[in-house]
Amino acid sequence: GAGVSQSPRYKVAKRGQDVALRCDPISGHVSLFWYQQALGQGPEFLTYFQNEAQLDKSGLPSDRFFAERPEGSVSTLKIQRTQQEDSAVYLCASSFVPGHLNTEAFFGQGTRLTVV
Amino acid sequence: SQQGEEDPQALSIQEGENATMNCSYKTSINNLQWYRQNSGRGLVHLILIRSNEREKHSGRLRVTLDTSKKSSSLLITASRAADTASYFCATGPMNRDDKIIFGKGTRLHILP
Repeated sequence: GAGVSQSPRYKVAKRGQDVALRCDPISGHVSLFWYQQALGQGPEFLTYFQNEAQLDKSGLPSDRFFAERPEGSVSTLKIQRTQQEDSAVYLCASSFVPGHLNTEAFFGQGTRLTVV
Repeated sequence: SQQGEEDPQALSIQEGENATMNCSYKTSINNLQWYRQNSGRGLVHLILIRSNEREKHSGRLRVTLDTSKKSSSLLITASRAADTASYFCATGPMNRDDKIIFGKGTRLHILP
């Protein structure tokens, strides 16, 4: 497709369950970002990939959060032993240049995770 | 933590009126971007203004940037019902390795 695609759109998980969220960036985009957006808040940075290299994971809130992009295209955000505070919309974005400078990012529609 | 701070947090205006939203930030930036988010959807890039630019237009959108005051404004002229959304400013860092930081957004509601 032409845009960033995320799946699933909605995920309900029981507390303690592991989840995996998928992001298909725009083909050829070098940079890929994951953001977490709580209700009524702006997106908060989680992690950044340049091709397959994870250059910044400073925003990951705990070691239960893990992201990968093994072939430099599709990325997966995994959350282990989910907790209620993990409930949020997880947004993926990609851009065609490395880094965050002077470039717009293209966002997917997000995955809304609800932990019950 | 979020650097951009939008003002007001919420805004309701009549269709056809102009809507103005402001964004203040704390540190030096390379650029500032505005995004729109419709309820339950992803963010859509609206406009990017570089730190050496003062004003930029795109259709009904006008963005200003005042780096001395560390502030930006987004003006939407002749508002339409479809403009109802949340609007976020995002600051692009000076350092290539730093990250874009989003504000908390302004929720704009256009009344018919």
